[in-house]
Amino acid sequence: GENVEQHPSTLSVQEGDSAVIKCTYSDSASNYFPWYKQELGKRPQLIIDIRSNVGEKKDQRIAVTLNKTAKHFSLHITETQPEDSAVYFCAASTPIYDKVIFGPGTSLSVIP
Amino acid sequence: NAGVMQNPRHLVRRRGQEARLRCSPMKGHSHVYWYRQLPEEGLKFMVYLQKENIIDESGMPKERFSAEFPKEGPSILRIQQVVRGDSAAYFCASSPGDRTEQYFGPGTRLTVT
Repeated sequence: GENVEQHPSTLSVQEGDSAVIKCTYSDSASNYFPWYKQELGKRPQLIIDIRSNVGEKKDQRIAVTLNKTAKHFSLHITETQPEDSAVYFCAASTPIYDKVIFGPGTSLSVIP
Repeated sequence: NAGVMQNPRHLVRRRGQEARLRCSPMKGHSHVYWYRQLPEEGLKFMVYLQKENIIDESGMPKERFSAEFPKEGPSILRIQQVVRGDSAAYFCASSPGDRTEQYFGPGTRLTVT
């Protein structure tokens, strides 16, 4: 089955700097890659997603890139703000059915 | 359009009791997923259901755990004879089925004393 790895597990950046989180997946059939943000004590919230027919997607300060050949995808957050501090989860899903496998998470701290 | 609803939000059970967690998907969503999250850990897939069908229960322990999504009413995750190790946050998510965006409920935090 699908296995998703995520790095780094923790990340600290200064406010205004960029943050990059990288994920790899094992199943070459995976074609949907969502990213979730989870603040302490809250539910995971979908922040951006990308499908395998697209190499890059951007939404304001966040962007996701996908390299299907290498089976890895990344989340980029620019001009980080303290409210970006949270745990970020990447995930991968195959077209067989809608099961989504999550990575272990990255705890991002933005230092004011 | 109300989001995914879960109840109760907090549940305390003594060892050996049963825990029953409910999830009402978003309107129009026919797919429900249950995840378990231990403190400071990731989301572990437990079970994926469609109306009246269990599609994938590979992440759910074979004993004591069961899940259902009846034709009418919410999806229910049932944990029998709870043990301290069952203490966790249990999230459900729903999707419309023709896409794969999953939207999460607020979670049920189960504490076993």
